[in-house]
This record gives sequence, C-alpha cells and structure tokens, in this order.
Amino acid sequence: SAVISQKPSRDICQRGTSLTIQCQVDSQVTMMFWYRQQPGQSLTLIATANQGSEATYESGFVIDKFPISRPNLTFSTLTVSNMSPEDSSIYLCSAGTGGTYEQYFGPGTRLTVT
Amino acid sequence: GENVEQHPSTLSVQEGDSAVIKCTYSDSASNYFPWYKQELGKRPQLIIDIRSNVGEKKDQRIAVTLNKTAKHFSLHITETQPEDSAVYFCAASSDYKLSFGAGTTVTVRA
Repeated sequence: SAVISQKPSRDICQRGTSLTIQCQVDSQVTMMFWYRQQPGQSLTLIATANQGSEATYESGFVIDKFPISRPNLTFSTLTVSNMSPEDSSIYLCSAGTGGTYEQYFGPGTRLTVT
Repeated sequence: GENVEQHPSTLSVQEGDSAVIKCTYSDSASNYFPWYKQELGKRPQLIIDIRSNVGEKKDQRIAVTLNKTAKHFSLHITETQPEDSAVYFCAASSDYKLSFGAGTTVTVRA
C-alpha cells in the first residue's frame, strides 16, 4: 500500500484566513481524494483531485471555498479559504491506484478556526 | 448519490465474543465495499474489503459478507480482543469515490 503524508498535522487559524494542506504519496497513484471528518463524525468526500485538470467537487463543496491542486501523480493540495469556526475539522487525503479500488488515508490535518 | 446506513452506532462485547456490524446501501451500481478501522486520533485503516462478484471474504478473525440483492453487507469479528476496540466504518463505491456509513464504536470489555 502507498505511504501517505500530510502537512501540517494540525493548525490553529483565525477566521477569514486561508490554510493550504499538502498531501504527498510515496508512489505514483491514479486517484487522490480529499475528505472532511468533523469531530466524532464520519468521513465526507469533498472532491476528487484530478491530475492535470480541475478537481471534481461533491454536492455542498465549491471550488472557491476549497481550491485543490494536483500538479503530478504523487502530490496534491487542498486550501480552506476564508475560514470560519464551522470549518474546524480533520481534513484527510486518500490515494488509490484505480485498478484495485483500495484507498489509503493520510494521517489527517486537524484544523481549528478561532 | 449513494446513501450508506450503518448499525449499531455503538457495540460493547465481552472479550472473546463475536461482534457484527451491518450496513445497507442505496445505489445498486455500487460494486466495492471496504471496511475501515479508526483508532482515536489515528487515520482510518483499511481492514478488509469485498467486491460485488464475491459473497464472502475472510481474513483471520475478520470476515465480510455481501448480499447484493438485499443491498446489505456485514462485518464479523470473532474472538474479539481489547485491541479491536475502535470506530469501524463501512463504505460503498461505484466509481472509486467512497460513501461512508456513520460509524460503529466497538468496545471490547476485558
């Protein structure tokens, strides 16, 4: 399975600011995704990070709020823009090869917005 | 979109007993069903998965069953141990995107 890292592991931010989260995979992967997990809750898919094209967003998530980049097959970023306390959550990236359906998760970024 | 329901939300079992978690899904096109274990403060860990062309899969003390007609699948943990205590999530996918159930908090009592 791929080894996935995220930076930062946690951050405390002021409302109105933006934070960019990085996700690095140790091997080339076909699929990369971004999820949000609010405290004590399940995981919700934010978007699919597409290499070389715009990300595909799920219902309730928009590009202006969560811009995503994926410049190559091993790296992606998620930006949480114009943050409010409601954005306080754990943000996780996942990766999969596409051929096997298996997805593996990064350790997550715990974001607190004050 | 896909809707996955998971029951029970909490499960307490005596060490050595079995634990069963059940999930139902709504999209008949779903063809991949993974289970994740998440310990407190850790990332979700893939523990077992099943595809739609298989009815049952087993890996040591863990097994998953799938009933495509009824659109439900289950996780079975036998001979539970304290280290099995965690939150377990089921998920369903038809296009590589995962839709997760709400999670089951499993507590194994020593």
